[in-house]
Amino acid sequence: EAQVTQNPRYLITVTGKKLTVTCSQNMNHEYMSWYRQDPGLGLRQIYYSMNVEVTDKGDVPEGYKVSRKEKRNFPLILESPSPNQTSLYFCASTRWGAQGSSSYEQYFGPGTRLTVT
Amino acid sequence: KNQVEQSPQSLIILEGKNCTLQCNYTVSPFSNLRWYKQDTGRGPVSLTIMTFSENTKSNGRYTATLDADTKQSSLHITASQLSDSASYICVVSVPSGGGADGLTFGKGTHLIIQP
Repeated sequence: EAQVTQNPRYLITVTGKKLTVTCSQNMNHEYMSWYRQDPGLGLRQIYYSMNVEVTDKGDVPEGYKVSRKEKRNFPLILESPSPNQTSLYFCASTRWGAQGSSSYEQYFGPGTRLTVT
Repeated sequence: KNQVEQSPQSLIILEGKNCTLQCNYTVSPFSNLRWYKQDTGRGPVSLTIMTFSENTKSNGRYTATLDADTKQSSLHITASQLSDSASYICVVSVPSGGGADGLTFGKGTHLIIQP
């Protein structure tokens, strides 16, 4: 079964305490990404990775880091969390169609609800 | 700037009734438009995807339409069920196929089905 898993699902932490949210996919996709979802703002891309060791910033990368040492894993790292990073986070794994093709399949993880106090 | 606007922001209907959700976009160039269903506390799940040349796509009781000329899409839900209570997100993509994913997400319509 195609699956994207995230851990933890819920996390309450304090300002400045480093944390990592893990993401893993079993579809051998090259492309993975992280989004945050906030009320009234919709999903916004934080970082993405086109393949192992290839990562780049999305629309809202400030305060976040990522790494892609293996194809299946794409952890999101908050070195010094702040209250404005309280949000619902989704990892996504994407299979793009051939170059120029309009097709893609995107699978989202179940989400991680993070609260920073 | 590419934008996707959804309306209404929220909607409450009685079980068994039909409803239509709207999506207007200014994304250009256009590649495809997808509707996602997001249950509370879960990740979005794809319902339909339409390319420029398609003007309707069905998935069970869900029917999406696309008017690429007016840059409008709608999602029609027939004979609503309690399990349809969710947020519905419209996503429009540009033909990038990589890099920043070229996806523009709407803010979603929160649908509540009442018994």
